[in-house]
Amino acid sequence: EAGVAQSPRYKIIEKRQSVAFWCNPISGHATLYWYQQILGQGPKLLIQFQNNGVVDDSQLPKDRFSAERLKGVDSTLKIQPAKLEDSAVYLCASSLDSQYNSPLHFGNGTRLTVT
Amino acid sequence: QKEVEQDPGPLSVPEGAIVSLNCTYSNSAFQYFMWYRQYSRKGPELLMYTYSSGNKEDGRFTAQVDKSSKYISLFIRDSQPSDSATYLCASRGSTNAGKSTFGDGTTLTVKP
Repeated sequence: EAGVAQSPRYKIIEKRQSVAFWCNPISGHATLYWYQQILGQGPKLLIQFQNNGVVDDSQLPKDRFSAERLKGVDSTLKIQPAKLEDSAVYLCASSLDSQYNSPLHFGNGTRLTVT
Repeated sequence: QKEVEQDPGPLSVPEGAIVSLNCTYSNSAFQYFMWYRQYSRKGPELLMYTYSSGNKEDGRFTAQVDKSSKYISLFIRDSQPSDSATYLCASRGSTNAGKSTFGDGTTLTVKP
């Protein structure tokens, strides 16, 4: 079973620039998550999709962050404009569904540095 | 106050030691508890998953949940250098059971 694929692995941008991250979940997984992991902290949920609908985006800074999940498969997360405090690892995860016993499968993340 | 608090590290132990990793949670709606292991520059991977109070064992790993005190523990027996990683505890509630709330992790180093 292929894992969750993310690209790029690393990205360095200047503040006020825009950036986009891509995620391809495990085939057949209906639920997709974007987490932000700041150095030394645990992952924080930004947005959760069930198929191509949003379930939870309560912690997504909507003035600068946007996300979409096309056709219920791949997803992109965009930041525009970026701030210094956006420097973090952005993790994509997927699960078969959103039931409590569906484990999350994480990708290896995109490490963003904003200078 | 964070909903999931984890004992800060780092933790360094000799090979073969028993390791105890601990978390507390404040949200009474949390019913499901997980431990993830995260190697450097990798995504977290699920180690253990428990639902009710009590112990769950998987090889060298034992997860313990005490809902009365809102306390979560992970024990690692006969620790190995390959266990060196950051360990994250996480909890899920019954509403939107898909959403996991994570602690900040404890970094463990097992020295040969």
